[in-house]
Amino acid sequence: ILNVEQSPQSLHVQEGDSTNFTCSFPSSNFYALHWYRWETAKSPEALFVMTLNGDEKKKGRISATLNTKEGYSYLYIKGSQPEDSATYLCAFFNAGKSTFGDGTTLTVKP
Amino acid sequence: DAGVTQSPTHLIKTRGQHVTLRCSPISGHKSVSWYQQVLGQGPQFIFQYYEKEERGRGNFPDRFSARQFPNYSSELNVNALLLGDSALYLCASSLGFRDRDRGYTFGSGTRLTVV
Repeated sequence: ILNVEQSPQSLHVQEGDSTNFTCSFPSSNFYALHWYRWETAKSPEALFVMTLNGDEKKKGRISATLNTKEGYSYLYIKGSQPEDSATYLCAFFNAGKSTFGDGTTLTVKP
Repeated sequence: DAGVTQSPTHLIKTRGQHVTLRCSPISGHKSVSWYQQVLGQGPQFIFQYYEKEERGRGNFPDRFSARQFPNYSSELNVNALLLGDSALYLCASSLGFRDRDRGYTFGSGTRLTVV
């Protein structure tokens, strides 16, 4: 059983704060790492797909980095807005299987 | 373009019964993956199908089975339902089996309640 850990479990920030979350995964047999945003009553939505050690990806105010040698990825949100409130999931892919973390639930207060 | 569609959206079954959940992927996508999500936990991988063949299987008992049809739609079957099978079942579609550069597109899920 593969261990994919996300921290923190939940986070409450004020509008305008910047924040970051961590996803830890096995450092062997790496294939890809996905980040998803899951808003209440909606489907999980893909944010980033990361495949190479050292990858850095950005979409608007959200960015992510990847370190496959030490087995972690960071997701950063700059200037959080209430619409960023959601659960952020990472998923580790190796041959044939995917393992999701339990997510970080972000609440942004106006 | 229609997204990933799942049916039914909600379902209530009795212990010991059988259930079939359905998923239609995005047009052109050939791979379907099934996940079980229990409140407070991340989605747990059940199966991945590509070109009508099973390409990956998670740690679920043999009561869980699936298949993929020539039109790439898929069914997830669960026999002898237990109370612990109550969960949200998510279907995810992707273009190919090893989509390194693309994320999955998820459906809205089927909420199964076993009583």
